[in-house]
Amino acid sequence: AQTVTQSQPEMSVQEAETVTLSCTYDTSESDYYLFWYKQPPSRQMILVIRQEAYKQQNATENRFSVNFQKAAKSFSLKISDSQLGDAAMYFCAYRRSANFGNEKLTFGTGTRLTIIP
Amino acid sequence: DTGVSQDPRHKITKRGQNVTFRCDPISEHNRLYWYRQTLGQGPEFLTYFQNEAQLEKSRLLSDRFSAERPKGSFSTLEIQRTEQGDSAMYLCASSALGQGKGIRDTQYFGPGTRLTVL
Repeated sequence: AQTVTQSQPEMSVQEAETVTLSCTYDTSESDYYLFWYKQPPSRQMILVIRQEAYKQQNATENRFSVNFQKAAKSFSLKISDSQLGDAAMYFCAYRRSANFGNEKLTFGTGTRLTIIP
Repeated sequence: DTGVSQDPRHKITKRGQNVTFRCDPISEHNRLYWYRQTLGQGPEFLTYFQNEAQLEKSRLLSDRFSAERPKGSFSTLEIQRTEQGDSAMYLCASSALGQGKGIRDTQYFGPGTRLTVL
């Protein structure tokens, strides 16, 4: 079974600074997807960024980028120029390749990110 | 509104009562998922539909839980004889197989239904 581990329950960063959230996962498969979702307080889960395992290039979305290390099974999220609106719970998630049908997500336990003004 | 919607947003019930939640996925999304999230944890998979067919159920989904997706549109999740351990946020997500709204093969979540069992 696949597992996702987020070892940082809480992180804080000064506004405008850069922060990196860690995620490791365990799988025996070679084709899969990885995601970072953001869940603001009392608000719904929002997709931040996704990475396809067969792509060597790290995904980027504006101020968000990932460092995907397939051999190490590591998938960290870097947030640049942190803004107050980035404060949220961040979840790392794993999904098997679509070839297997069920695309259920396996989530980590989350990292609560606080932005210090 | 083009997002996933869920109703109700909050539900308080007494132990032993039945409750039903509804999820309306993004239009044209043929895959629909239910997850449960307890405080301080990530969501855990409960069940999955492709169109109207329920293709997988987690072991977390006891006999007291049942889900349906008639006609492959909205879905309902019913919990019978609720227990205090059922208190959680119930999340619905949808995704498109092939062409559809949003990024292919990516799940979009609704706001959730928070259930409190007294």
